[in-house]
Amino acid sequence: DGGITQSPKYLFRKEGQNVTLSCEQNLNHDAMYWYRQDPGQGLRLIYYSQIVNDFQKGDIAEGYSVSREKKESFPLTVTSAQKNPTAFYLCASRFVSGANVLTFGAGSRLTVL
Amino acid sequence: SQELEQSPQSLIVQEGKNLTINCTSSKTLYGLYWYKQKYGEGLIFLMMLQKGGEEKSHEKITAKLDEKKQQSSLHITASQPSHAGIYLCGADMYTGTASKLTFGTGTRLQVTL
Repeated sequence: DGGITQSPKYLFRKEGQNVTLSCEQNLNHDAMYWYRQDPGQGLRLIYYSQIVNDFQKGDIAEGYSVSREKKESFPLTVTSAQKNPTAFYLCASRFVSGANVLTFGAGSRLTVL
Repeated sequence: SQELEQSPQSLIVQEGKNLTINCTSSKTLYGLYWYKQKYGEGLIFLMMLQKGGEEKSHEKITAKLDEKKQQSSLHITASQPSHAGIYLCGADMYTGTASKLTFGTGTRLQVTL
């Protein structure tokens, strides 16, 4: 079945460590997105990419980095520069042309100890 | 500032009652999406609206986009416990070179027996 796979589901990190969240899709979607969700809040856009080897900063990109070396993969690295990284992270993808529906992964919960 | 405002932030209704959630933007919406989220999970697509005055229904949920394309409402008729969750509206925001999908703050719905 086609879909988006995020891993790991749960991740614990010590302060000062970088961590990478994986996002893989087999939907042949062009665009991929990373969102952050804090308790009681909506989704905030971190980074997005519409094509391989290209990506744009979203609204809260500071302390995060991404790469898009393959169409199906869009990993997110949470660096030690991110002041408050504990959150629920969601990856999504969709076709670029027209107004198209975003398909979401199940999310990754990062906790900084 | 949030580009999409949702109201109310939370809602508790008795099973069988009707309810409405609103999503408002100061800008014209070129694609308005409604999603539902169970706590700690990914988002499930409900409906997409594109044209001013458009209305769509699925089972007991109806979504409308006003003529000016700046406000949308989600109406649930005869609510059931299965309707409980977080409802989020999202909209395409064009940046000139790319399209990013931004989300509202979400509305948490609880349905009591």
